[in-house]
Amino acid sequence: NAGVTQTPKFQVLKTGQSMTLQCAQDMNHNSMYWYRQDPGMGLRLIYYSASEGTTDKGEVPNGYNVSRLNKREFSLRLESAAPSQTSVYFCASSEAGDTGELFFGEGSRLTVL
Amino acid sequence: QKEVEQNSGPLSVPEGAIASLNCTYSDRGSQSFFWYRQYSGKSPELIMSIYSNGDKEDGRFTAQLNKASQYVSLLIRDSQPSDSATYLCAVNFPGGSYIPTFGRGTSLIVHP
Repeated sequence: NAGVTQTPKFQVLKTGQSMTLQCAQDMNHNSMYWYRQDPGMGLRLIYYSASEGTTDKGEVPNGYNVSRLNKREFSLRLESAAPSQTSVYFCASSEAGDTGELFFGEGSRLTVL
Repeated sequence: QKEVEQNSGPLSVPEGAIASLNCTYSDRGSQSFFWYRQYSGKSPELIMSIYSNGDKEDGRFTAQLNKASQYVSLLIRDSQPSDSATYLCAVNFPGGSYIPTFGRGTSLIVHP
């Protein structure tokens, strides 16, 4: 039972570099999400995909892009990383877009120098 | 403005005691409420959901909802050191995507 799988788990980037965080779920869920978590800030939604073929901005989308590649996969891209993007990133999925019952991946810890 | 407020803590309780975690939210029209537990360095996991006023019990956990007061709480009975974690309250606000908005979490420490 893999659930939600994120890669990589750790990454160090230099300012201006680009990278993609990958996320895949095997629960046949329709909705997928990307959150970031910073100390004292809680979980903040970056982008979400209510269903295959759709994506929408969340609370903090600036500096990020996403792709819902298929029903299973939802990737998050940083085109030009900045130190302010140092954070822990969580991918999550849910059966439908109108439920708060999310299943989270293990997280990806990103440091931008 | 969608806001979910939690006391950051830490809340420290002795083993065997009842831990009471509280959460308030900004929109009286909200219908769905969730509690997630997050151990240090780990991802959040859903432990309780509640949709109607009153209490919902699951093992040692009880969620309490009062929509009129815009207040949801989580009680943990017979607290164990393994309950030490951060507890995140999440609320689905109406009028949009119904994506849950998370509070900043309350750190709970259960000491032997």
